[in-house]
This record gives sequence, C-alpha cells and structure tokens, in this order.
Amino acid sequence: EIVLTQSPGTLSLSPGERATLSCRASQSVSSSYLAWYQQKPGQAPRLLIYGASSRATGIPDRFSGSGSGTDFTLTISRLEPEDFAVYYCQQYGSSPQYTFGQGTKLEIK
Amino acid sequence: QVQLQESGPGLVKPSQTLSLTCTVSGGSISSGSYYWSWIRQPAGKGLEWIGRIYTSGSTNYNPSLKSRVTISVDTSKNQFSLKLSSVTAADTAVYYCASGGGVAVDYWGQGTLVTVSS
Repeated sequence: EIVLTQSPGTLSLSPGERATLSCRASQSVSSSYLAWYQQKPGQAPRLLIYGASSRATGIPDRFSGSGSGTDFTLTISRLEPEDFAVYYCQQYGSSPQYTFGQGTKLEIK
Repeated sequence: QVQLQESGPGLVKPSQTLSLTCTVSGGSISSGSYYWSWIRQPAGKGLEWIGRIYTSGSTNYNPSLKSRVTISVDTSKNQFSLKLSSVTAADTAVYYCASGGGVAVDYWGQGTLVTVSS
C-alpha cells in the first residue's frame, strides 16, 4: 500500500501570499493518478486537481499542481480568504483503490 | 450535474450492522463509466476510502475493511448502499457517498454522521 505524507501539517499565511503544499509518496505514483482536494469545515471535500496538474471544472487558475514520481506539490499563487481550509492529496492504486494523505491545514496568519 | 445524498440511521449499537443508502440525482446510476464509492472521516481526522461499485456491479473494497463491508446497487431506485458489520466505536465517522470516473472523486454527498454507541 502506498502511503502519502503531506507537509507541513499546518501552514500559516496571509491573504495575497503564495502557498506551497507538499505530498510525498512512499513509492512512485503515476502522475495520472494523483489528485488534490479542498475541505472546509462542515463540508465535503471538493476536487481541485486531478492527473497531478489538471484543474477540475470551475477551479480558479490560482490553483496549480505539479510533480512526478514520489513528490507532488499544490500551489495557490495568491491566497484568497476562501482558500483557508484543509487540503488532501489522494492517489489511485490497485488495492486499496484510493489512499489519502493526512491533510495540510492552511490557516490565516 | 450528479448530486448525491446519504441517508440512514445516525446511531448504531456496537456489534450491529451499519446501513446507509446514497440516492443519486441528475443522472442514471447505470449509465456512463462511473464508480460509486463510500468514504468516511472520523471527527477531526483524515479521509478513509471504504469501497466502490462500478456500473457493472463489480466491487472493490479497502483491504482493511473488506471482511465487514458490502456495497450494492439498486438501479431501479438509482441508489447504492453500504453495509458495515460488527461495528465498534472506531467506526464512528461522517460517511460520504461519492462518485467519479476512476482515478479521482468528482462528486460528493454532504455526508452523514454515524455514531456507534450503546
């Protein structure tokens, strides 16, 4: 089973700043199989990025994904107040089909 | 746009079976190439995928839960269901039904809290 480790656990930034979130896999992951989600309190997660770098429908272009192999990054170019949330990476594999990282909490500084 | 809504008891006794249903609207559960999943999240913790069913009826389960999980589909009602047997307090969580084309989860229900307690 591939384990995803996200860092940092908590990231404190101000609106307008750039956020860089990391997701490291215990084994190589196909870029096609890496996704990112945003979750706000009391809400279901929302798909942001799939295939490591493709934005889901309706996702602003300030969100971007990159990476390959075992190291993947979610970047938010300029933080808006609504971007403060918890972010999860997820990989698609053979068994279990979906595994998630433990999450990075992006909080207002 | 596909919409998903979970329903079922919010309280289950230890050792009993947790049963939830997800009603799909905005599309047919039997059309297209979609996987229909259950995912859970204990309070303050991360996401755990439980299992999924394909439109053909084939299933995949998380190995850590496989012995206790059954996911089924009722195409006549446009619903799919989760049964988790022999529950303990560790199964207390918000349970989400969700769907996607395979490698990612595009659509999520709002989630339903299930508490295991006597």
